[in-house]
Amino acid sequence: DSGVTQTPKHLITATGQRVTLRCSPRSGDLSVYWYQQSLDQGLQFLIQYYNGEERAKGNILERFSAQQFPDLHSELNLSSLELGDSALYFCASSTGQGGNQPQHFGDGTRLSIL
Amino acid sequence: AQSVTQLGSHVSVSEGALVLLRCNYSSSVPPYLFWYVQYPNQGLQLLLKYTTGATLVKGINGFEAEFKKSETSFHLTKPSAHMSDAAEYFCAVSGYNQGGKLIFGQGTELSVKP
Repeated sequence: DSGVTQTPKHLITATGQRVTLRCSPRSGDLSVYWYQQSLDQGLQFLIQYYNGEERAKGNILERFSAQQFPDLHSELNLSSLELGDSALYFCASSTGQGGNQPQHFGDGTRLSIL
Repeated sequence: AQSVTQLGSHVSVSEGALVLLRCNYSSSVPPYLFWYVQYPNQGLQLLLKYTTGATLVKGINGFEAEFKKSETSFHLTKPSAHMSDAAEYFCAVSGYNQGGKLIFGQGTELSVKP
């Protein structure tokens, strides 16, 4: 058990809809990261928050947004969903914000778009 | 820019044989390097990391990796494969002053034959 909790585990919805994925980091971790894993793109970094502030951004679509709340949990919002958004979305957390920090991953949310 | 190349999307070894998973990276800044393992329907688990110091790093489950700057490589090895090692392995790179984003390779699926 990594200590990172993601909900829900599975999500099935339709094109055009909006969903929210939730992540609770390990106790004491201030950084939260979001990654997308798909068969064609592999594991892609989306965004990082550190103590409530955006710290780094990857190839995150404009239809996607995230935030980290004062209690350090994070939410990833996906809107105007397309078939290609079907993927496994991982949240990870680390103590600090630097690249040398080991990241601890949750078990992911599997998003299926019908 | 940073990138990671894992040679071989699938590697098969016999139980008790040497495991060698190859990883080459490209980085314009001193890299931090990681190996993660992913079991089916689970998140990624950190095996080992190189940040600074000793170039031969030991990880969990008997795995180790050596950072070779001249070869831009960070290959993962284990002297004797066990059936429980069957999983997908990801090499990842991050860099100093780039936040914590991890750039992953495409992954190598390891099969272990009895």
